[in-house]
Amino acid sequence: AQKITQTQPGMFVQEKEAVTLDCTYDTSDPSYGLFWYKQPSSGEMIFLIYQGSYDQQNATEGRYSLNFQKARKSANLVISASQLGDSAMYFCAMRDIASAGGTSYGKLTFGQGTILTVHP
Amino acid sequence: GAVVSQHPSRVICKSGTSVKIECRSLDFQATTMFWYRQFPKQSLMLMATSNEGSKATYEQGVEKDKFLINHASLTLSTLTVTSAHPEDSSFYICSAPGLAWYNEQFFGPGTRLTVL
Repeated sequence: AQKITQTQPGMFVQEKEAVTLDCTYDTSDPSYGLFWYKQPSSGEMIFLIYQGSYDQQNATEGRYSLNFQKARKSANLVISASQLGDSAMYFCAMRDIASAGGTSYGKLTFGQGTILTVHP
Repeated sequence: GAVVSQHPSRVICKSGTSVKIECRSLDFQATTMFWYRQFPKQSLMLMATSNEGSKATYEQGVEKDKFLINHASLTLSTLTVTSAHPEDSSFYICSAPGLAWYNEQFFGPGTRLTVL
């Protein structure tokens, strides 16, 4: 079963506007971490933001914020004041106990990705 | 954050040849490294987990004899694509996990392999 789902293959936003990229996840573990990465056309993976399952507040990092709704199992990324340089592919990823193989850290499960295009 | 390098960044080879890709952790030691494969506009697919001093753990459907992984030291993991064919053309990325649960994985810049 798909553990991380990104239902938006592509999104368009006007420069300076805000945009929300959707991510839903599925896990039975009470302890898990959610990550968002940006991948520009160069291919490098850029870490954006992290949300832990026990975190009481939504994570924020500059123009990035995470709308974490635990009961709905969603962790949407909100980018405020979009810039042309935000055009890239965005991935939501999860780490849980099952994928960690019993260790305190482990592999990530990635969603399908969303291609964001920012228009001037 | 921690730095992971990959070499080469691009490689073009003839069908039937073998290609080695190196992944190095530059400022930290990595007992574990992950190797991913990515096709254009698709997600990262985990191929295998590389473990220093022991055999790699391959994901289901990944040919062990095709994709040889060696984790020779705490700072170097290599992926060798043996007898490469055009269908092996892809973007290969390695990563190392952070030390803490909340740490992100640190990715290398990737290697674009083209098999003619």
